[in-house]
Amino acid sequence: DGGITQSPKYLFRKEGQNVTLSCEQNLNHDAMYWYRQDPGQGLRLIYYSQIVNDFQKGDIAEGYSVSREKKESFPLTVTSAQKNPTAFYLCASSAYTGAETQYFGPGTRLLVL
Amino acid sequence: GQSLEQPSEVTAVEGAIVQINCTYQTSGFYGLSWYQQHDGGAPTFLSYNGLDGLEETGRFSSFLSRSDSYGYLLLQELQMKDSASYFCAVYASNYQLIWGAGTKLIIKP
Repeated sequence: DGGITQSPKYLFRKEGQNVTLSCEQNLNHDAMYWYRQDPGQGLRLIYYSQIVNDFQKGDIAEGYSVSREKKESFPLTVTSAQKNPTAFYLCASSAYTGAETQYFGPGTRLLVL
Repeated sequence: GQSLEQPSEVTAVEGAIVQINCTYQTSGFYGLSWYQQHDGGAPTFLSYNGLDGLEETGRFSSFLSRSDSYGYLLLQELQMKDSASYFCAVYASNYQLIWGAGTKLIIKP
């Protein structure tokens, strides 16, 4: 079955620590996205990638970094510069940027110790 | 700034019809999407309106009026499994999807 996987489901971060969230898709989609969701709020775009080896900042990129070395993979690193990282992180993909449908992974919940 | 407004919560009875409204103010407009999200889950795509009018997909319909910067999601024959949060989202550019804060739909038996 085609889809998007994210791991881990829960992640705990200590002060000053960088953590990496995994996102893999086997839908053969060119575009991939990372969103952050805070309780009772909509999704906010962190980074997006239109194609392999390309990525662009979204609305809230500060304190985050990404890479897109393979079409299937788009990992997100939450750096120590992100002072309020506790949130639900969602990875999504679409056939191309602007496609009507974005498909989402199950999400990673990041908590700060 | 860019903003989408939708009610925070709507309550309806099983078997009834409910409408969730969305008004938007964005720098650009390519289309309006609706997503469903159950508690703790991922959003799933419901519908998309690129042009004015009504789109129907089974029990769900979505409407768009670009001149009024307004759209709605209509859910018919409500079932308990429809209890979830519903988000409208506007494509403000070819990559940027601006999301509303979501409407929590509570369904009573």
